[in-house]
Amino acid sequence: GQQVMQIPQYQHVQEGEDFTTYCNSSTTLSNIQWYKQRPGGHPVFLIQLVKSGEVKKQKRLTFQFGEAKKNSSLHITATQTTDVGTYFCAGPYTGTASKLTFGTGTRLQVTL
Amino acid sequence: NAGVTQTPKFQVLKTGQSMTLQCAQDMNHEYMSWYRQDPGMGLRLIHYSVGAGITDQGEVPNGYNVSRSTTEDFPLRLLSAAPSQTSVYFCASSSYRTGTPFFSGANVLTFGAGSRLTVL
Repeated sequence: GQQVMQIPQYQHVQEGEDFTTYCNSSTTLSNIQWYKQRPGGHPVFLIQLVKSGEVKKQKRLTFQFGEAKKNSSLHITATQTTDVGTYFCAGPYTGTASKLTFGTGTRLQVTL
Repeated sequence: NAGVTQTPKFQVLKTGQSMTLQCAQDMNHEYMSWYRQDPGMGLRLIHYSVGAGITDQGEVPNGYNVSRSTTEDFPLRLLSAAPSQTSVYFCASSSYRTGTPFFSGANVLTFGAGSRLTVL
């Protein structure tokens, strides 16, 4: 079945350092979404990428969708303690657009 | 505007007991789904529904039943709880534009706050 893996599983950075998480799918995705889950909270939608090679920015966050539409990345510049949480990528399940497969997630810890 | 409401927030069951996790949304979303979250495994789809009267299986449907009698509600039933079902459960809904496939455009998921279930 379709698999969506994220690396790293966990990263601990000091405030001000940069952070990147990578998302890799075993199959081509029509689009990819990113969600953030704060500790003890629920996933919240961040952004969606649709086009091959697309790059979108949200303040200090930069999202990329690979040329082959099988991978994506999220880069945070100059992390802040408010960035703490788990970041998930998600893409439509192969063969049907009615299921969204989530990645394994990357947990980010930021300390002063 | 409540969004997606899940009850209960916490539940402890004994093996073999049954229970229902409730999910209600007030956004008139056609699409609703249930995920479970376990450490290191991300969010896995249990069941989903594209409208009232229509349900389908996700990645991990065994041991769970669902029904969708109204647009607003999508309860998840555990008929005979097992320790392997200890998890955090999230209900999520999405708007649906007639004539477009889900998740091919701007349809994104709105999650409830979650229900933490422990099966002893």
